[in-house]
Amino acid sequence: DARVTQTPRHKVTEMGQEVTMRCQPILGHNTVFWYRQTMMQGLELLAYFRNRAPLDDSGMPKDRFSAEMPDATLATLKIQPSEPRDSAVYFCASARPGHGTDTQYFGPGTRLTVL
Amino acid sequence: KNEVEQSPQNLTAQEGEFITINCSYSVGISALHWLQQHPGGGIVSLFMLSSGKKKHGRLIATINIQEKHSSLHITASHPRDSAVYICALSFSGGGADGLTFGKGTHLIIQP
Repeated sequence: DARVTQTPRHKVTEMGQEVTMRCQPILGHNTVFWYRQTMMQGLELLAYFRNRAPLDDSGMPKDRFSAEMPDATLATLKIQPSEPRDSAVYFCASARPGHGTDTQYFGPGTRLTVL
Repeated sequence: KNEVEQSPQNLTAQEGEFITINCSYSVGISALHWLQQHPGGGIVSLFMLSSGKKKHGRLIATINIQEKHSSLHITASHPRDSAVYICALSFSGGGADGLTFGKGTHLIIQP
């Protein structure tokens, strides 16, 4: 049963600390998305990659957020330094567009609390 | 400017009722997605539409590109259908680009 995995599932940290969230896309999926969900804003796109290259990171605060794909099986989202307003659930999703379905498969999310 | 509007925001219905959730958008799109977010937080893609109608079990999704409107219907609703239903837009390449989301419709089906 192929699925997107995310670690950690929960993270509580103090303001100013670095936070790293990891995502393992479904094997063979070449497109990876990072989304953030808050009560106020709902779901919003932060960034996405295709074949490990960033295609759009316009939704990401550039001064503190960075997203990378060190290899095809790992995507990372880092926040440094973290702030209380970064508290949210961060979802990773993966897809394999052009191969019969463009469905995005979502991971379980990382719930981040910044104190 | 909100590109995606969903209605209603909240809906409570009795088991067995026919449910309709609406989504209107204001810009050209390549596809529209319906997603379901469970009470536990997990998100599942239900449909991706670029025209016409799709059906899966008791769920039916329709889209009218000219009217910029889509509906999600649930027939013979059941308490397990209780979830947040989210409409999302793709502007190019179907599901190949990042999605723009509506605020969601919180559905509760009472036994």
